[in-house]
Amino acid sequence: EVQLLESGGGLAQPGGSLRLSCAASGFTFSDYVMTWVRQAPGKGLEWVSTISHSGGSTYYADSVKGRFTISRDNSKNTLYLQMSSLRAEDTAIYYCAKDTSWGIFDHWGQGTLVTVSS
Amino acid sequence: DIQMTQSPSSLSASVGDRVTITCRASQSISTYLNWYQQQKPGKAPKLLIYGASSLQSGVPSRFSGSESGTDYTLTISSLQPEDFATYYCQQNYNTPYTFGQGTKLEIK
Repeated sequence: EVQLLESGGGLAQPGGSLRLSCAASGFTFSDYVMTWVRQAPGKGLEWVSTISHSGGSTYYADSVKGRFTISRDNSKNTLYLQMSSLRAEDTAIYYCAKDTSWGIFDHWGQGTLVTVSS
Repeated sequence: DIQMTQSPSSLSASVGDRVTITCRASQSISTYLNWYQQQKPGKAPKLLIYGASSLQSGVPSRFSGSESGTDYTLTISSLQPEDFATYYCQQNYNTPYTFGQGTKLEIK
């Protein structure tokens, strides 16, 4: 059974940093592209970032480019999102998703809440 | 960026009804269109349809998808109680991958 478990969310101050993790199990992690999607309170879904199987290629939404860094450790079956220069508008639930074919998200974690506030 | 426009934004229906949700892309996306169901905000979305019309494994056959030009449709043939949720379309033609704003399906 595919499982994705996010962690690392919490309260951060504007301008601060947080690192999210997503521990994967139940599939061969290194075979799949992985993605982060977020959902602000009461809002819809927003794609944040995608990373290739090896980690050699990364893609970002303009809203986070230059501030967020996606990475992965295939030896640990873990996906990361390093978030810096956080803004109030980054407040959201962050989901990691298994990407079955470059933009088709067939399994999702339960999400981790990031709140940016002073 | 490709804009995805869903309609309606909300819909009231009854158990047993047939409902249709539409998503229009701002440009051609060549059936790179997926549909997700989210039972409630804060719960993980679930993939229903990918490639405009392919049913994800384990999804009931009452869900179907179709395409006509830049318009994409999700149809639920006979609503069940567990189908009352919010539905999102999403294009994966190119990055940035973009979602529609969502359609909230409520019980009449």
